[in-house]
Amino acid sequence: GQSLEQPSEVTAVEGAIVQINCTYQTSGFYGLSWYQQHDGGAPTFLSYNALDGLEETGRFSSFLSRSDSYGYLLLQELQMKDSASYFCAVRAPGGGNKLTFGTGTQLKVEL
Amino acid sequence: GAGVSQSPSNKVTEKGKDVELRCDPISGHTALYWYRQSLGQGLEFLIYFQGNSAPDKSGLPSDRFSAERTGGSVSTLTIQRTQQEDSAVYLCASSQTSGTYNEQFFGPGTRLTVL
Repeated sequence: GQSLEQPSEVTAVEGAIVQINCTYQTSGFYGLSWYQQHDGGAPTFLSYNALDGLEETGRFSSFLSRSDSYGYLLLQELQMKDSASYFCAVRAPGGGNKLTFGTGTQLKVEL
Repeated sequence: GAGVSQSPSNKVTEKGKDVELRCDPISGHTALYWYRQSLGQGLEFLIYFQGNSAPDKSGLPSDRFSAERTGGSVSTLTIQRTQQEDSAVYLCASSQTSGTYNEQFFGPGTRLTVL
């Protein structure tokens, strides 16, 4: 089976940089995804890493180290609208695009 | 174009009743997924349809839960003899293909409350 660990809550100020970590234990691994979910909203896709290294998309970057079973989401120039829950999710062999999600990190951005 | 839609948006039912939740995926998406999210929790995988293949039912929590996907499009999740622990938001997602990674597009969910 798969299990993922994330911090439950992170608080940061507007304009700052925040890193949300994710460690995973899986039987096989294809890649690590990140999704954002605002309160009462649907999860939306942010990024996917299949290979080691950093992927950058605007203010958001995602990093993967397969040898350490570890990844992180980096949010720069934080804005109030970034306050949301962030979920890492693992895609593993035999499951097609099926994802196993972590329990999520609630990010609070303060003035 | 239209996104993933789900109905109803809210459903309140009494313990022991059956409920049906509907999902309309994005047109052309061959993969469809059902997840369950309890308050403040992550998404729990329930079932996955890919084209005409047999569905992956490995996440269904009990035999009270079942799902169909008709004509490779609309899907219905049925919960029989509902229990209070079934109360959650049920999310449907679709993606283009399986095999290589494609992002999942989620619907707004159905909030189920079992009294």
